[in-house]
Amino acid sequence: EAEVAQSPRYKITEKSQAVAFWCDPISGHATLYWYRQILGQGPELLVQFQDESVVDDSQLPKDRFSAERLKGVDSTLKIQPAELGDSAMYLCASSLPREGGTGELFFGEGSRLTVL
Amino acid sequence: QKEVEQDPGPLSVPEGAIVSLNCTYSNSAFQYFMWYRQYSRKGPELLMYTYSSGNKEDGRFTAQVDKSSKYISLFIRDSQPSDSATYLCAMNHNQGGKLIFGQGTELSVKP
Repeated sequence: EAEVAQSPRYKITEKSQAVAFWCDPISGHATLYWYRQILGQGPELLVQFQDESVVDDSQLPKDRFSAERLKGVDSTLKIQPAELGDSAMYLCASSLPREGGTGELFFGEGSRLTVL
Repeated sequence: QKEVEQDPGPLSVPEGAIVSLNCTYSNSAFQYFMWYRQYSRKGPELLMYTYSSGNKEDGRFTAQVDKSSKYISLFIRDSQPSDSATYLCAMNHNQGGKLIFGQGTELSVKP
């Protein structure tokens, strides 16, 4: 069964360090999403890609967060410098284009970040 | 005020009970309504998907949408310990658009 792959699963870092997360969506899925889920809360969208283009990054803290999907396949989310409030689960999801499906999001298992 | 409100629980029920999970929302433009299930330390997985108002049934699960009241529900019949998870409601204006999630309700089904 096709899955969204994410790495690392767990990351512990110190404040002010740089962190990077990687996501490989399901093959053929043109839309890729990065969500942040703080413990006890629902996921919140950080950035949405359609192929290699950013569709929505209105909630991405651009002073410290960056995301790229250079070839329209896998994606990297970077945080520099990390702050204590960045501790959360970072979820990657992908979906078929609207014309090709219901728009269902398939999530990876997430990357849990702890900032000390 | 959040666009989507969901009682965080936790909710604890005995095995076999009927479970009712609910969300309210404020944006009348929402048309697509979903329920995701999230096991501990895992990513969410889609459980039910509904367009506009009405009911949808899938096995032990029934999703209801009442757009006039801006209220959606998920019912679980004959609940099982394996149903123990966090249930997230989610909704958006159009397919593939930004998905807005509720806070999630943590459910525990005791044997």
